[in-house]
Amino acid sequence: DTAVSQTPKYLVTQMGNDKSIKCEQNLGHDTMYWYKQDSKKFLKIMFSYNNKELIINETVPNRFSPKSPDKAHLNLHINSLELGDSAVYFCASSQAWAAEETQYFGPGTRLLVL
Amino acid sequence: AQSVTQPDIHITVSEGASLELRCNYSYGATPYLFWYVQSPGQGLQLLLKYFSGDTLVQGIKGFEAEFKRSQSSFNLRKPSVHWSDAAEYFCAVGPRQGGSEKLVFGKGTKLTVNP
Repeated sequence: DTAVSQTPKYLVTQMGNDKSIKCEQNLGHDTMYWYKQDSKKFLKIMFSYNNKELIINETVPNRFSPKSPDKAHLNLHINSLELGDSAVYFCASSQAWAAEETQYFGPGTRLLVL
Repeated sequence: AQSVTQPDIHITVSEGASLELRCNYSYGATPYLFWYVQSPGQGLQLLLKYFSGDTLVQGIKGFEAEFKRSQSSFNLRKPSVHWSDAAEYFCAVGPRQGGSEKLVFGKGTKLTVNP
C-alpha cells in the first residue's frame, strides 16, 4: 500500500489553463506539505497544513491554492498556469507539526506547461 | 537565515568504493539534521537524522553520518557503495526552537556509480 500517493504522475498543459494535483496519505499523519522541485533539483516548501489548518504559506503566487478537505488529503489547485510553473511537485506528510518529524514523500507530479 | 550547503553537485564513484557526501549548515543554534535520498523518478526517503547525543548516526542502507559542531557539518558516508545507491542526496535542516518548523534543503548531490 502506497503511504503517500499523488495524482496525476504527469501533467502536460497549456499556458493559462487551470489544473489540480491531488495528494492522499494513509499513514494517519496530522501534517501535510507541498514542495516544488525546480529543474535544478532545488526543493522548496510551498505550503503546510496541520489538522486541515494552513500553517506555512511561503512566498507563492496566489494562483496556487491548497485545499485540505480532511487530514488525509491535501490538494493543490493552480490557476492561469505559466511557463515558470513547470516543475516537479511533491506532497509529503509527517506525524506531527514539528521540525524533528520525519517527512514521507509522495512520488511527485511532473508538471510541464507549454 | 538558515542555509544548507552541499558543495558537490555531482560525484562519481566506482562500485565498492567508499563514499562521503558533504553538508554544511549555517544556523544560530544546532538544528535538527537530516539526509534524504531521491532515486530517479521517485520521491524522497529519509536515510537518517540527528537530534542529539552520539554524533555518529546510523541510517538505512548502510549509510552513516557524523555531526561535527565545530565545522557545522553533517557529512554522509558509506564504506562500500552499491550500484543501487545511484541517486540524488539531499541534506536538510530543521529549526530546533519553535517557529516555522519547516525544513530547508540543500541543493542536492547527484551520485553516479560506475560498475
